[in-house]
Amino acid sequence: KQEVTQIPAALSVPEGENLVLNCSFTDSAIYNLQWFRQDPGKGLTSLLLIQSSQREQTSGRLNASLDKSSGRSTLYIAASQPGDSATYLCAVRPSSNTGKLIFGQGTTLQVKP
Amino acid sequence: DAGVIQSPRHEVTEMGQEVTLRCKPISGHDYLFWYRQTMMRGLELLIYFNNNVPIDDSGMPEDRFSAKMPNASFSTLKIQPSEPRDSAVYFCASSSDIVGEKLFFGSGTQLSVL
Repeated sequence: KQEVTQIPAALSVPEGENLVLNCSFTDSAIYNLQWFRQDPGKGLTSLLLIQSSQREQTSGRLNASLDKSSGRSTLYIAASQPGDSATYLCAVRPSSNTGKLIFGQGTTLQVKP
Repeated sequence: DAGVIQSPRHEVTEMGQEVTLRCKPISGHDYLFWYRQTMMRGLELLIYFNNNVPIDDSGMPEDRFSAKMPNASFSTLKIQPSEPRDSAVYFCASSSDIVGEKLFFGSGTQLSVL
């Protein structure tokens, strides 16, 4: 059974720091992996999607990497800003023939001014 | 596009009552998903549809839960009878396919069953 873990559960950093959020999964046979952002009381916003054949994806100050063989993904946020404060979740899609995503519990990030 | 629209935003009801949650997906999206989020279990897929047909309902907790998609622009998730343990945030999401495209979420319905 696929399990997705995100450590730490919470992180607080000063503004301007570069930071890395971690996601690990137990079964390396995944189709793709997505990183989402969730603001309090809101739905999830997809940030980056990495296919299993890819090693990384970039969008602005965000860079997500994927190492399937080791069952790990990281989300790198450069020059963090208070507006980056939110909960970040990763989710894996087990195969191409299912719409199911398996989510981690998320990392709640606070960026202090 | 207005995005995925859910209603109501908040629902407070008493145990035993019927609850109906509603969702309008993004126009042109063929896939619709219902997720439930709790502190204990995180985000869990309940059911998803492709072209209005239920594909995987293995996440539906029990017979008290039912979901329908009568047309491409509307879906409901019904709980009857509701129980306190059903209290959670219920999200609807849609996408244009399940392989390479991102998932778009609604703002969710916060359900409290007293």
